[in-house]
Amino acid sequence: SAVISQKPSRDICQRGTSLTIQCQVDSQVTMMFWYRQQPGQSLTLIATANQGSEATYESGFVIDKFPISRPNLTFSTLTVSNMSPEDSSIYLCSAQVGTGSTDTQYFGPGTRLTVL
Amino acid sequence: GQQVMQIPQYQHVQEGEDFTTYCNSSTTLSNIQWYKQRPGGHPVFLIQLVKSGEVKKQKRLTFQFGEAKKNSSLHITATQTTDVGTYFCAAIQGAQKLVFGQGTRLTINP
Repeated sequence: SAVISQKPSRDICQRGTSLTIQCQVDSQVTMMFWYRQQPGQSLTLIATANQGSEATYESGFVIDKFPISRPNLTFSTLTVSNMSPEDSSIYLCSAQVGTGSTDTQYFGPGTRLTVL
Repeated sequence: GQQVMQIPQYQHVQEGEDFTTYCNSSTTLSNIQWYKQRPGGHPVFLIQLVKSGEVKKQKRLTFQFGEAKKNSSLHITATQTTDVGTYFCAAIQGAQKLVFGQGTRLTINP
């Protein structure tokens, strides 16, 4: 298993500003992911954070809006840029433990973002 | 892309009653995973099913994977208030990406 921490746990931000969320894993992992979860909704994958290369974004998410860094195998950041109230959500990072397709993902506690 | 449909969206039961949530896909799945998210919490991995027709049990929870590997279910026997939360199924798509079902929110009347 893996223990994942995120910070900040929550923030209230003004429209037009940016927020960077940090995700730290207690062990080296190959795959890290960023999700968004609207209140009462399911999880939507934003991107796969690739170590040493550009993140792989899902449809509807772009690097200019959600730049992601992955400098090593235990750490990643997600920035929510030029925020609007529609970006208010919970942002979760996850890490996949193992290397096969049958391995599982462990989630961080999430960052609750409110944009005014 | 691959989608997994999960029903029901909500389920309210009396404590002690059973609960079942279902997950369906139009395509064959390599595996299915189940997660539980408590109110205000984050998803926590429960189990993974890989084999056709597989059945796994965790105390009062029974997980099944269909013979065709296109559907799965989670059944809770004699629910307790600690079972409250949202249960998600998730399937691997492509390079280890998880696609989540819509989730079933379980509430329990004590």
